[in-house]
Amino acid sequence: GAGVSQSPSNKVTEKGKDVELRCDPISGHTALYWYRQSLGQGLEFLIYFQGNSAPDKSGLPSDRFSAERTGGSVSTLTIQRTQQEDSAVYLCASSLELSPRTQYFGPGTRLTVL
Amino acid sequence: EDQVTQSPEALRLQEGESSSLNCSYTVSGLRGLFWYRQDPGKGPEFLFTLYSAGEEKEKERLKATLTKKESFLHITAPKPEDSATYLCAVLYSGGGADGLTFGKGTHLIIQP
Repeated sequence: GAGVSQSPSNKVTEKGKDVELRCDPISGHTALYWYRQSLGQGLEFLIYFQGNSAPDKSGLPSDRFSAERTGGSVSTLTIQRTQQEDSAVYLCASSLELSPRTQYFGPGTRLTVL
Repeated sequence: EDQVTQSPEALRLQEGESSSLNCSYTVSGLRGLFWYRQDPGKGPEFLFTLYSAGEEKEKERLKATLTKKESFLHITAPKPEDSATYLCAVLYSGGGADGLTFGKGTHLIIQP
């Protein structure tokens, strides 16, 4: 079956612009997660959704970051007023239900802020 | 202090030369330990989940084991296609909701 899909695969933007990253989870997966992978930093957990609800937003790096999920499916991660330190690969994962279920990752969106 | 530490950072082996990768963790209330493989430019690919000390899982040339403080990923007679970065992650009580805490990975190169 289809895996987690993300779009765009690559995004180059100018400092100060807003960007939207999209994640389409595996069909039937109720939990969805966003991570960030920076060079030399490893994978950093940002936020998760159970259904359309995100109970804990404390992992988001700053108030420029927001995320939403609609219809229990597609999720969007929005970064406002992008900064160069936001450059990273943003990964989305989904699981059948809340952990400790296995999380399956998408291919990621590589964001470059010039 | 890192909560998940992987060693070595990089490992170069000859084809057929078996070895082990280590993942040590300092968190308490472990709910699960996960191994992933990541190829350049791709997302992590799931390999194993371990839930309790003493548990072992195998898949082809890979075998994962878990103790109360660490996990090993044993690679038997590796092939060049096993070259990748291997990531270890934990889920624990008190962690970031249901987010995984990852180590920095072991970059494995298998030379023909």
